[in-house]
Amino acid sequence: GAVVSQHPSRVICKSGTSVKIECRSLDFQATTMFWYRQFPKQSLMLMATSNEGSKATYEQGVEKDKFLINHASLTLSTLTVTSAHPEDSSFYICSARNPGQGKIGGYTFGSGTRLTVV
Amino acid sequence: AQRVTQPEKLLSVFKGAPVELKCNYSYSGSPELFWYVQYSRQRLQLLLRHISRESIKGFTADLNKGETSFHLKKPFAQEEDSAMYYCAPAMNRDDKIIFGKGTRLHILP
Repeated sequence: GAVVSQHPSRVICKSGTSVKIECRSLDFQATTMFWYRQFPKQSLMLMATSNEGSKATYEQGVEKDKFLINHASLTLSTLTVTSAHPEDSSFYICSARNPGQGKIGGYTFGSGTRLTVV
Repeated sequence: AQRVTQPEKLLSVFKGAPVELKCNYSYSGSPELFWYVQYSRQRLQLLLRHISRESIKGFTADLNKGETSFHLKKPFAQEEDSAMYYCAPAMNRDDKIIFGKGTRLHILP
């Protein structure tokens, strides 16, 4: 089945530094990927839609300059948290749509990245 | 505005009892509806979607357009059903999935 690999699974960084999170589709090409953020004991909040070869579409309230998304190939999307602050600490999850499974429904999720900013 | 509501944050059910996790949505147009499940320490995974009308692990969900509901049901709960369940609609036009707040299902022995 479709597999999405997310790396790293955990990262601790200092305030003011930037952190890059990778999301890879391992056995399929993903034209669209999605980035979510999950706070403790809360639901997933969609941050942005990443489209291969074009600019990401950000949800309302998400700072595009702070959360840089790059989808340079059909198997890789990256989320860079720039100038991280403690309030950016969260669980970040990516999802990829496998177009081979039909227009809707072929979504596979990564295992998530726990970011802690100290 | 698009909205999905899961009114129960926590649902505790005895093993063998029926389970119903409620989900109501408010969307313009006709969204596709999904249920996702997250077991402890595992990644989110698709449980079922209404277009396929399938039954996975004994769970079913019927889309009621009149009530705009997509409740998840299982006749006899099992201990391994304990997990977080998310109702998630998606619109065809942009394909993104919006998640409800989730319901934690706790199966009591």
